[in-house]
Amino acid sequence: SQKIEQNSEALNIQEGKTATLTCNYTNYSPAYLQWYRQDPGRGPVFLLLIRENEKEKRKERLKVTFDTTLKQSLFHITASQPADSATYLCARADDKIIFGKGTRLHILP
Amino acid sequence: EAGVAQSPRYKIIEKRQSVAFWCNPISGHATLYWYQQILGQGPKLLIQFQNNGVVDDSQLPKDRFSAERLKGVDSTLKIQPAKLEDSAVYLCASSLDREGYEKLFFGSGTQLSVL
Repeated sequence: SQKIEQNSEALNIQEGKTATLTCNYTNYSPAYLQWYRQDPGRGPVFLLLIRENEKEKRKERLKVTFDTTLKQSLFHITASQPADSATYLCARADDKIIFGKGTRLHILP
Repeated sequence: EAGVAQSPRYKIIEKRQSVAFWCNPISGHATLYWYQQILGQGPKLLIQFQNNGVVDDSQLPKDRFSAERLKGVDSTLKIQPAKLEDSAVYLCASSLDREGYEKLFFGSGTQLSVL
């Protein structure tokens, strides 16, 4: 079956360091991958979109990569801050949008 | 612009009761989604509408769940009868269209507890 997986349930990073989250997909190649942030008690909020023919996308302190050979997307937050603590979701986006389980990121002051 | 509106915010019912959730998407958004999010999991797509037609309902437990989108705007999701395992947050989202590059805008969700 077509799967999208975020293998790390939780990640603790020291403030100021770069946080790197991983998203893997199997058995197909999505045309797009999307990344969302979700805070407790709130709906997910869109952050970034990357197309399969793009290697990298940046937005302020955020960077997303798309490696079709490894079937993997990496999501980076540079100069991390405690306010970046949240759950981050990746999603494959074709004719429908299917989410991974998410990674809970804790930025430690 | 106004966001996606959902109500109620919280609902507590007993098993075998029925419940309904309401969603008002962003004006002009053709695509509407209902997701179920169980604690600690990612959102699971239940049903996707394009205007007032169903595009995908493959993950909707049709023996107990139903959804409609009248006039291609507001939508309701109903559970009848509810089971304990239906306890979750029900998220509504909308997007301009159903292309993979369209970002989703989510409401705050309805937290359902089935006792």
